[in-house]
Amino acid sequence: NAGVTQTPKFRVLKTGQSMTLLCAQDMNHEYMYWYRQDPGMGLRLIHYSVGEGTTAKGEVPDGYNVSRLKKQNFLLGLESAAPSQTSVYFCASSWTVPQYEQYFGPGTRLTVT
Amino acid sequence: KNQVEQSPQSLIILEGKNCTLQCNYTVSPFSNLRWYKQDTGRGPVSLTIMTFSENTKSNGRYTATLDADTKQSSLHITASQLSDSASYICVVSPTEDMRFGAGTRLTVKP
Repeated sequence: NAGVTQTPKFRVLKTGQSMTLLCAQDMNHEYMYWYRQDPGMGLRLIHYSVGEGTTAKGEVPDGYNVSRLKKQNFLLGLESAAPSQTSVYFCASSWTVPQYEQYFGPGTRLTVT
Repeated sequence: KNQVEQSPQSLIILEGKNCTLQCNYTVSPFSNLRWYKQDTGRGPVSLTIMTFSENTKSNGRYTATLDADTKQSSLHITASQLSDSASYICVVSPTEDMRFGAGTRLTVKP
């Protein structure tokens, strides 16, 4: 069991470039989440999904898009990267509602110059 | 204003000593409260989870307490080890989402 994996681990983008972060889980979890973590702040929810083919906005969705075409994968896209999107991005998954334990991936460190 | 406040922001202790981390929250209604440990460069890992009706929950050398009346929780670490050096994050769930504290950075020195 790999748990939750994220690719890539590191990425540097120039302002205006686009990229996609991939999250994969092998635990057959229904719920998946994307968070960003910035220094001095708690993790903030970007988008989440309650099942294959469904997505919903979290606390800070602007500038990001997501897709959940397969149950095990949750993609986070940046269409036109901005320096404010420099952050560490974490993916997580859980069986159902977040009251159940969330399992986190190792994170992706993104720098936008 | 963050609905989950943690203190202190950072803490340095000597190996073998005990310490207590604090979490105050204003989230309401309240479903459960969790403590996560996050090692540098890694994702958070769950330590304990408590519902509003529970007062204490232990996981080895980690003991979490909860006072739902005062909206306070603490995480007590006993006989600290070098491997306890990490950030500890308090997370409060109102209903179907989660509110994260900024964390306490703990450093255990030999």
